[in-house]
Amino acid sequence: LAKTTQPISMDSYEGQEVNITCSHNNIATNDYITWYQQFPSQGPRFIIQGYKTKVTNEVASLFIPADRKSSTLSLPRVSLSDTAVYYCLVVVDSNYQLIWGAGTKLIIKP
Amino acid sequence: ETGVTQTPRHLVMGMTNKKSLKCEQHLGHNAMYWYKQSAKKPLELMFVYSLEERVENNSVPSRFSPECPNSSHLFLHLHTLQPEDSALYLCASSQSGTDMNTEAFFGQGTRLTVV
Repeated sequence: LAKTTQPISMDSYEGQEVNITCSHNNIATNDYITWYQQFPSQGPRFIIQGYKTKVTNEVASLFIPADRKSSTLSLPRVSLSDTAVYYCLVVVDSNYQLIWGAGTKLIIKP
Repeated sequence: ETGVTQTPRHLVMGMTNKKSLKCEQHLGHNAMYWYKQSAKKPLELMFVYSLEERVENNSVPSRFSPECPNSSHLFLHLHTLQPEDSALYLCASSQSGTDMNTEAFFGQGTRLTVV
């Protein structure tokens, strides 16, 4: 099964672009990569999902290199409200296996 | 508000007690999930129900017993728990229970403390 590894914590400042990288060295051919955001006392919330290359939505971009052994969540121009824990999740496209990372605690400073 | 509601939000129980966690979704989804979230550990998927049938049980101890009476409701019955079972228990739902790529919507969780 694919295992995900991500930094425990990161700091940045308002208005900056933040990139959080997750490694999933043994990701399988059909696995997708998904990112969730979690605030204290709340459940995780879906941010973005991708399979390869680049995916962009209204809140983030997801970059996946050709070998798919890592992925980078990019948050443009962060604000204080982006302070949260960000989880990388590999969805194994069979057998209901969901491999969550331990999460990256992102702290945005004024 | 995600459309997934969990009750109670907080629960303290003794090791000999029996209690139940409740989850309700109003999204018309076909799949529901129970997760355990412990401090500094990845989320652990406990149970998956698709169209009210259990399709996954990740070797969860029998002191946790799920029940899914219909596609909108999910329960987690607890009995003779251990202190190490103290955690945040999260319920989630998704449109499809057969396509694990579909977006999951989470409730706010029940903070369980076993004393």
